[in-house]
Amino acid sequence: LAKTTQPISMDSYEGQEVNITCSHNNIATNDYITWYQQFPSQGPRFIIQGYKTKVTNEVASLFIPADRKSSTLSLPRVSLSDTAVYYCLVGDANQAGTALIFGKGTTLSVSS
Amino acid sequence: DVKVTQSSRYLVKRTGEKVFLECVQDMDHENMFWYRQDPGLGLRLIYFSYDVKMKEKGDIPEGYSVSREKKERFSLILESASTNQTSMYLCASRKGGPTYEQYFGPGTRLTVT
Repeated sequence: LAKTTQPISMDSYEGQEVNITCSHNNIATNDYITWYQQFPSQGPRFIIQGYKTKVTNEVASLFIPADRKSSTLSLPRVSLSDTAVYYCLVGDANQAGTALIFGKGTTLSVSS
Repeated sequence: DVKVTQSSRYLVKRTGEKVFLECVQDMDHENMFWYRQDPGLGLRLIYFSYDVKMKEKGDIPEGYSVSREKKERFSLILESASTNQTSMYLCASRKGGPTYEQYFGPGTRLTVT
């Protein structure tokens, strides 16, 4: 399974765009990139996933360069409620017997 | 909506006790997982199961065992609880096939004294 590296913490203010970058230098051909969000006292929640280029949904955008060795989660105009831990995961969930491995994540703190 | 439930939100046990943590999902998912979460260490995978009666070790299986006799239920067992197993335990499920979306339960905060 590909290892990921992301910043331990980030700070932002309400209304700003936040970009969290994740490095995954040894990503495999069949691996997808997935991001989760975890609020205090809750389990993680799926945000977005992608394979290459750009993916956007109602919560975030995911940018993946051509070499796929990194990815960037973009949160537009954050609010206080976006304060959470964000996890970047890389893996091939198509195969039976495959588990997604969570690291330590990035703790995002949004202030007013 | 997918629902993953865990038997207890808070649990206090004594050292040496046998502890059962139960997890139930209602969406007929093939895959189920047990993680523990500790400050500064993130989520760590203990065990997972991709089918009934099938189990695979995760990163930290020592001191734990699991049971999956029915598709909807995945149990984590601490044969002899120790203080270093005090933690938040999170169960998750995921359907089979090409998906990366796991659904997590609310967690069980276990304290071993």
